[in-house]
Amino acid sequence: DQQVKQNSPSLSVQEGRISILNCDYTNSMFDYFLWYKKYPAEGPTFLISISSIKDKNEDGRFTVFLNKSAKHLSLHIVPSQPGDSAVYFCAAVALGVSNDMRFGAGTRLTVKP
Amino acid sequence: KAGVTQTPRYLIKTRGQQVTLSCSPISGHRSVSWYQQTPGQGLQFLFEYFSETQRNKGNFPGRFSGRQFSNSRSEMNVSTLELGDSALYLCASSPQDSSTDTQYFGPGTRLTVL
Repeated sequence: DQQVKQNSPSLSVQEGRISILNCDYTNSMFDYFLWYKKYPAEGPTFLISISSIKDKNEDGRFTVFLNKSAKHLSLHIVPSQPGDSAVYFCAAVALGVSNDMRFGAGTRLTVKP
Repeated sequence: KAGVTQTPRYLIKTRGQQVTLSCSPISGHRSVSWYQQTPGQGLQFLFEYFSETQRNKGNFPGRFSGRQFSNSRSEMNVSTLELGDSALYLCASSPQDSSTDTQYFGPGTRLTVL
């Protein structure tokens, strides 16, 4: 069963505007969330994470928001740049149970110049 | 459609042994990628197969190998196991070219090397 879902397979945004990538999860045991970025012909690389004790974590142009009651998190990229074009994966971990990550299927972001 | 399945789900081996992990992609998917997930290193790319051919390879020693069959099922083999090989091994499938497409991850095989 898909415990982590990214319902938008693709997203297209104009350069300089905000990109918002969404992720929903079903397992209330998840307490740590990560976003990975994947370029073509490469494996995913870690981008940003958030613990369930927070509702926001910011790192430069990237901000992740967590809404535990809605079991929803989002990644905001502001301003978007053409180099941000990639596939973004959302992942969740139940640290109190195991270190096994559960991944969403990814969202392909295209930032147009 | 059934999701990506991986067998076995759990495996315990000892140093020096070899192991074979199996991945069945979603029906119709032709691309299969393998990843190693560890608490310290995070997610690391092993290799990707498409139509029975290895397309991309990560930075892992030759002890790690894989193959893909005509039905797109894939196996990963690790020879001469080391303690550091203990990890969750994830398989992900994609309809066409995983370089540009989203991927669907399996539940993983938890390998413990004693």
